[in-house]
Amino acid sequence: SQQGEEDPQALSIQEGENATMNCSYKTSINNLQWYRQNSGRGLVHLILIRSNEREKHSGRLRVTLDTSKKSSSLLITASRAADTASYFCATPPRGNKLVFGAGTILRVKS
Amino acid sequence: NAGVTQTPKFRVLKTGQSMTLLCAQDMNHEYMYWYRQDPGMGLRLIHYSVGEGTTAKGEVPDGYNVSRLKKQNFLLGLESAAPSQTSVYFCASSRGTRGGKLFFGSGTQLSVL
Repeated sequence: SQQGEEDPQALSIQEGENATMNCSYKTSINNLQWYRQNSGRGLVHLILIRSNEREKHSGRLRVTLDTSKKSSSLLITASRAADTASYFCATPPRGNKLVFGAGTILRVKS
Repeated sequence: NAGVTQTPKFRVLKTGQSMTLLCAQDMNHEYMYWYRQDPGMGLRLIHYSVGEGTTAKGEVPDGYNVSRLKKQNFLLGLESAAPSQTSVYFCASSRGTRGGKLFFGSGTQLSVL
């Protein structure tokens, strides 16, 4: 069973628009992480938000965490064609090893 | 500083053949992991290691074996490959296992015919 599930499964937007992806998880966590995977490549860590944080920014990325709803969102502002990739949330249930969701495929059209 | 390096990048096996995937990291990380990625299923943990000489089972360990004889290397073996093991395999490393940030290799695409 998957700890994290992303929504939507796929998202297509125009360059310059914002992209929002959501992640829901099942058990308590001490942090939640987002990763990006370009086609045919390995995953790259984007951002980590701890359970006592509600929002975190990194460049054009904004992540929120709502532990009461067991959910997180990743917002990419002013998207670019280079943002086209799959995005995964990952959580360590009970502070253990990371468990990944199935991912959101983002396509940014130029 | 190469990070995490996986070899080979591609491999085709026949059912029943064996092979070993090699993962090497140069970041002096204690923890190393092997994941497999299948369409629509995200990444699933096969085996992991919390230090030289130690290994442990992950979510989908059946049909695989691992060894961590040196801190910088983590080997994944398939003793008798099956078509169900057709997948993309990723190695990752981290400083610590308690939900720490992972550094990934570029993957090995394996096809078992």
